[in-house]
Amino acid sequence: GDSVTQMEGPVTLSEEAFLTINCTYTATGYPSLFWYVQYPGEGLQLLLKATKADDKGSNKGFEATYRKETTSFHLEKGSVQVSDSAVYFCALSFTGGGNKLTFGTGTQLKVEL
Amino acid sequence: GAVVSQHPSWVICKSGTSVKIECRSLDFQATTMFWYRQFPKQSLMLMATSNEGSKATYEQGVEKDKFLINHASLTLSTLTVTSAHPEDSSFYICSAPGGGLTDTQYFGPGTRLTVL
Repeated sequence: GDSVTQMEGPVTLSEEAFLTINCTYTATGYPSLFWYVQYPGEGLQLLLKATKADDKGSNKGFEATYRKETTSFHLEKGSVQVSDSAVYFCALSFTGGGNKLTFGTGTQLKVEL
Repeated sequence: GAVVSQHPSWVICKSGTSVKIECRSLDFQATTMFWYRQFPKQSLMLMATSNEGSKATYEQGVEKDKFLINHASLTLSTLTVTSAHPEDSSFYICSAPGGGLTDTQYFGPGTRLTVL
């Protein structure tokens, strides 16, 4: 079945450091790929998405590129802030499949001053 | 953007009782809603797909008689945990597709269930 694998956390960084959270997927076909973020005490929010190969999703300084050849969708940010501290989930879904999302295990990011 | 609410945000109940959790789409209609369960430090596990006006579709391994889902209107889906036991303690989250051609999901803030 479809699955998403992301790096285990927690990831602890100093403010202004570079962030990479790895995500790879296994799926039959070509899914849409997502990064969701869960801030403390809040529900999941869509951070960015990409719907086809080589698409780059971006939002709030975060970026991820849909790499079909490596089945990856790694999340990057050039300079993290304390306010970026949250849990980040990589996910996939297929249009027409009822939009069911398959999630990775989540990666907790802690950014310190 | 679209808003999904859940009620209650947290609930504590005794073992053997039933608990109902509501999920509402506040400013859009949702013919489909999804119910997830999230264990501490783990991912969201899809439990079932709630379909307005018809039976829910449960994922493999989820007991449909234990987790009753009703989607009575285009803005409300309910999850009832029947005869709850401590192992049912978890964080339950619902989501709804944004509609149209979008494949974006909007998530509720979740409900923390603790069964004593």
